[in-house]
Amino acid sequence: AQKITQTQPGMFVQEKEAVTLDCTYDTSDPSYGLFWYKQPSSGEMIFLIYQGSYDQQNATEGRYSLNFQKARKSANLVISASQLGDSAMYFCAMRRTRIYNQGGKLIFGQGTELSVKP
Amino acid sequence: DVKVTQSSRYLVKRTGEKVFLECVQDMDHENMFWYRQDPGLGLRLIYFSYDVKMKEKGDIPEGYSVSREKKERFSLILESASTNQTSMYLCASSLTRAGGNQPQHFGDGTRLSIL
Repeated sequence: AQKITQTQPGMFVQEKEAVTLDCTYDTSDPSYGLFWYKQPSSGEMIFLIYQGSYDQQNATEGRYSLNFQKARKSANLVISASQLGDSAMYFCAMRRTRIYNQGGKLIFGQGTELSVKP
Repeated sequence: DVKVTQSSRYLVKRTGEKVFLECVQDMDHENMFWYRQDPGLGLRLIYFSYDVKMKEKGDIPEGYSVSREKKERFSLILESASTNQTSMYLCASSLTRAGGNQPQHFGDGTRLSIL
């Protein structure tokens, strides 16, 4: 069965420092995708970054980068130069299966609450 | 930009009521999803649909049903609301059923309280 695990319920980081949010996954499917979302206190889920299992390079989007270690089955999110607006809940998610009409489904981790201190 | 709109941000209903949560997307997406979010449990899939009039159960469908009569609209129905259905409900859509690198786009969520 596919599973996503985020072991850090809460994290603190000083403004302008970098922070790493952990995500490990379990799947027997050779083809999969990994997503990170941000959820501010207002509730909306914001897509941040995507990594495909066959991608040769680690994904980057602005201050967000994904430290993808396939052999370890980890896909950690790195936020550089933290800002106060980065305070939010962060979710790691995995696309579930290659079956055609199921391919849009995601399985989510429990989330990590990040607090950025001024 | 994709816009996913949920009809209510906050909703209070009574035990036993039939509750409708509405979701509309404006980008002609094939897939639509309903999740509930509870502290410490992340997002759990209730139902999803990959075409008009098509629906499939997610991980926790008990006590819920859905309707997709038009491509842009996906409704979640609580047939007889119970207090354990008090939660945050999130609707999402994505482009095609093939998945790939397409993210799901979410609405702002509905905080539902059942008294």
